[in-house]
Amino acid sequence: KAGVTQTPRYLIKTRGQQVTLSCSPISGHRSVSWYQQTPGQGLQFLFEYFSETQRNKGNFPGRFSGRQFSNSRSEMNVSTLELGDSALYLCASSLGLAGANVLTFGAGSRLTVL
Amino acid sequence: AQSVTQPDIHITVSEGASLELRCNYSYGATPYLFWYVQSPGQGLQLLLKYFSGDTLVQGIKGFEAEFKRSQSSFNLRKPSVHWSDAAEYFCAVGAIQAGTALIFGKGTTLSVSS
Repeated sequence: KAGVTQTPRYLIKTRGQQVTLSCSPISGHRSVSWYQQTPGQGLQFLFEYFSETQRNKGNFPGRFSGRQFSNSRSEMNVSTLELGDSALYLCASSLGLAGANVLTFGAGSRLTVL
Repeated sequence: AQSVTQPDIHITVSEGASLELRCNYSYGATPYLFWYVQSPGQGLQLLLKYFSGDTLVQGIKGFEAEFKRSQSSFNLRKPSVHWSDAAEYFCAVGAIQAGTALIFGKGTTLSVSS
């Protein structure tokens, strides 16, 4: 079956712009989690959505937001981009809540902010 | 909230030698523990998980990990390392309790020398 699909894979933005990243989970998976990966910081948890509801949120500013649609597809948005937002954004899906299930990761969306 | 510490940022092991990657977690209740591996330019792949039962768990690619509640540790081991094991390894902690996210450590980069 198809894996977790993230689009776009690469994108370049300038400071102050906003960006929307998309994630299509594995069919049947109801949870989608988002992580920011930067060198030396590992994977920092952004948020988790389950059945269209945000279940958890990490320690990121309000510029980072997300949503989940009825087909479990998810989007995350970053507004007023800063240089420090340059990172690999990873999406992962799971059958149930992420803390108690195996996550399947997408290949990520690499964002560069100039 | 839970947390994960991977004390070693970078480890170099000779091919054929044994490997142990350390992971310490902090969580007030019974944790669910995971090890994931990320090869360069790829997404994360699950190596193994511990939910309950036998504290020594076997994973893919010849890896195993042992859960030690008294030490709050979940160290990853492999008896004989292959050059293809060079990658970044992440330990993660979650739980069955609703509302618990999956939190990752900062990762350990493994280099394999010939």
